[in-house]
Amino acid sequence: DTEVTQTPKHLVMGMTNKKSLKCEQHMGHRAMYWYKQKAKKPPELMFVYSYEKLSINESVPSRFSPECPNSSLLNLHLHALQPEDSALYLCASSQDARGNYGYTFGSGTRLTVV
Amino acid sequence: ELKVEQNPLFLSMQEGKNYTIYCNYSTTSDRLYWYRQDPGKSLESLFVLLSNGAVKQEGRLMASLDTKARLSTLHITAAVHDLSATYFCAVDPGTYKYIFGTGTRLKVLA
Repeated sequence: DTEVTQTPKHLVMGMTNKKSLKCEQHMGHRAMYWYKQKAKKPPELMFVYSYEKLSINESVPSRFSPECPNSSLLNLHLHALQPEDSALYLCASSQDARGNYGYTFGSGTRLTVV
Repeated sequence: ELKVEQNPLFLSMQEGKNYTIYCNYSTTSDRLYWYRQDPGKSLESLFVLLSNGAVKQEGRLMASLDTKARLSTLHITAAVHDLSATYFCAVDPGTYKYIFGTGTRLKVLA
């Protein structure tokens, strides 16, 4: 298995809703990442998990809450989002946090906040 | 603050032609990555360059890295329509996180 699987692929949520994005990999990678990508822009790093511990938080608002329950799974919990949070959310993994072999990206969750 | 700039930002080229995309970055880094993204899709890893002078080739694409000049190039040889996509370079300045370049939107015309 050489994939990073993200669910759901599309999500529409209201500003008062609570939802979660899920990311899973079975490649034995020990670093996992959340990126946010707006249309026609490069991806922007949100969080880095290394060996299941949060190692980098790029000053992301607390309405985004990451969780790494085990080495294969990464969640992003969403609460009280704003319309400007609408974007493509990408999960990625790498063998280690140094990224010697590059990252493997999931297909993304397209989030719309209404 | 690390800046990663690509040029051109937009590139429209005829099939069969050659062209080069440039990626300049503003701080020391010994590793650079190239990715491809199709519209509405995820990012596909193309090349991982881990040292000065590294050169890698895959099909019609060839990437190189000059860490002293803080420059990477992605050369396209005899372009075909299937290469139409957005290409991103990404730099890791040793902080264990990528900083992506601005992206180059490539359109290959038949």
